[in-house]
Amino acid sequence: DADVTQTPRNRITKTGKRIMLECSQTKGHDRMYWYRQDPGLGLRLIYYSFDVKDINKGEISDGYSVSRQAQAKFSLSLESAIPNQTALYFCATSDFKGSETQYFGPGTRLLVL
Amino acid sequence: DQQVKQNSPSLSVQEGRISILNCDYTNSMFDYFLWYKKYPAEGPTFLISISSIKDKNEDGRFTVFLNKSAKHLSLHIVPSQPGDSAVYFCAALYNFNKFYFGSGTKLNVKP
Repeated sequence: DADVTQTPRNRITKTGKRIMLECSQTKGHDRMYWYRQDPGLGLRLIYYSFDVKDINKGEISDGYSVSRQAQAKFSLSLESAIPNQTALYFCATSDFKGSETQYFGPGTRLLVL
Repeated sequence: DQQVKQNSPSLSVQEGRISILNCDYTNSMFDYFLWYKKYPAEGPTFLISISSIKDKNEDGRFTVFLNKSAKHLSLHIVPSQPGDSAVYFCAALYNFNKFYFGSGTKLNVKP
């Protein structure tokens, strides 16, 4: 089973709709992240969380919100989706205990019409 | 303004030859630099990293070089194999908190 899972894997929605992307991890890591990937721009950080009570904005948090429901779960919400939020979204985890790397989920492809 | 840049969107190399992927950064306070590999329909996977206090790290066919004075790092793959064909992202870690990613380089290794 995958260590970091994302649901849904693909989603089409309409402008103005509220949607939620979910991320779960079985690695036991404290730190979780949400990124979006756009062509030519790489991955940009939306939000990150270092534990259940700690939420931080990243580079591009406007239009997004997050919820850390448990150590293993970190969800990303688009309160009112707009077309320029069409992108590939990745969740990642890390713990910095002996390794500085991140572990990524498989991604969610979102299309906002 | 991007703090980590990969100026080559794509690179094509013959199997068995060396692949060199480049990355430039602007912030001299980055703690670590990492390379990730990404196949289509999958998330990025960690490949190799280097601390800002070192200038070279090697792991099998993969070597990362760091030139702090030039704010430049490179990933060398020797010998290149067709299975190395993927998008490679350079990333930098700031204050052990936040990661900054480059835009990626698509490597194609021809058989």
